[in-house]
Amino acid sequence: QVQLVESGGDLVKPGGSLRLSCAASGFTFSDYYMSWIRRPPGKGLEWVSFISSSGNTIYYADSVKGRFTISRDNAKNSLYLQMNSLRAEDTALYYCAAYGDLFYFHYWGQGTLVTVSS
Amino acid sequence: EIVMTQSPATLSVSPGERATLSCRASQSVSSYLAWYQQKPGQAPRLLIYGASTRATGIPARFSGSGSGTEFTLTISSLQSEDFAVYYCQQYNSWPPFTFGPGTKVEIK
Repeated sequence: QVQLVESGGDLVKPGGSLRLSCAASGFTFSDYYMSWIRRPPGKGLEWVSFISSSGNTIYYADSVKGRFTISRDNAKNSLYLQMNSLRAEDTALYYCAAYGDLFYFHYWGQGTLVTVSS
Repeated sequence: EIVMTQSPATLSVSPGERATLSCRASQSVSSYLAWYQQKPGQAPRLLIYGASTRATGIPARFSGSGSGTEFTLTISSLQSEDFAVYYCQQYNSWPPFTFGPGTKVEIK
């Protein structure tokens, strides 16, 4: 059974940093492209970042470029999101998601909450 | 960037009735369109990909249609567990991957 479990969400002050993790199980993690997607309170889904199966190809949404860094450790079946220079508008529930055979999001985690507030 | 819009924002439907949700892309996305369902406190769930292919385990009452810029998700006979928010997402031209703002299906 496919499982994606996010962790690392917390309350942090503006300008602060946080590292999110996503632990994968039930599938061959190293074969899958992955993304982080977020949902701000009361709003819809927003794609944040993409990483290829090998980690060689990475993309970011303009809203987080230069502040967030996506990475993965295929040996540990884990995906990460390093978030720096956090802003109030980064407050959201952050999901990790695995792609299907094309670029739709087949599997999702339950999310981890990031709150940026002084 | 391809902008996705959805209508209506909220759809009030009685159980057993048919629900029709619309999704529009600012430019053609061919058939590279997915639909997701999200219930409160739960992760989004993939319903439809390739505009019309049901994901594994999705009931037949869910169907998707359309291509290019106009898409429809139809729920033929609403069950109590179908009241949720529904999002469309394009994956024809990326990055970025873009979602619509969602349609909330509520009990009438």
